[in-house]
Amino acid sequence: DAGVTQSPTHLIKTRGQQVTLRCSPKSGHDTVSWYQQALGQGPQFIFQYYEEEERQRGNFPDRFSGHQFPNYSSELNVNALLLGDSALYLCASSLFGAGGSGATQYFGPGTRLTVL
Amino acid sequence: RKEVEQDPGPFNVPEGATVAFNCTYSNSASQSFFWYRQDCRKEPKLLMSVYSSGNEDGRFTAQLNRASQYISLLIRDSKLSDSATYLCVVNPPLRQLTFGSGTQLTVLP
Repeated sequence: DAGVTQSPTHLIKTRGQQVTLRCSPKSGHDTVSWYQQALGQGPQFIFQYYEEEERQRGNFPDRFSGHQFPNYSSELNVNALLLGDSALYLCASSLFGAGGSGATQYFGPGTRLTVL
Repeated sequence: RKEVEQDPGPFNVPEGATVAFNCTYSNSASQSFFWYRQDCRKEPKLLMSVYSSGNEDGRFTAQLNRASQYISLLIRDSKLSDSATYLCVVNPPLRQLTFGSGTQLTVLP
């Protein structure tokens, strides 16, 4: 049973560039949430996708956008990168409606983004 | 005020010790509470949910005090493998998981 997978593992970009991160949910899951985790901090919710639509969004600017595909995989796009965007980006998958957004979320290993 | 606050530590304890972590949350309407564990440079993993009546899973005990908006995690008989960052997580109504900044634990031989 494949867990949540993310690619790439690491990424280095320069300010102003754009980046796309990818996530495949755990088998059987249909909902993907994205989180940003800065060094020494807990993960911060960016947004959640279900049925190819953004369902909830955290306090992140429009530079952060996403997409979900019919096979439930998802992409996170960040435009006009800033130094402060350097972080671990985590994808979590869950089954929509299965007890809400709590214990059923399974995290992927993350993509570590460095912006120079 | 942060929505979820934790003592960042670090907590350095000898093997076999008992250690307790505390967490407070600001949204009194929150309904779901969890402790996640995160190893260095790895993803968070669910350790246990926290129920109003308190719950235990082996050496781990979690407690919730809704009146004080306070959550705790007790680890008994600490093992070297318990070394990690422990994240307090709250699920406010109609919102996604809200994480604390984590408490770092190192269990020493």
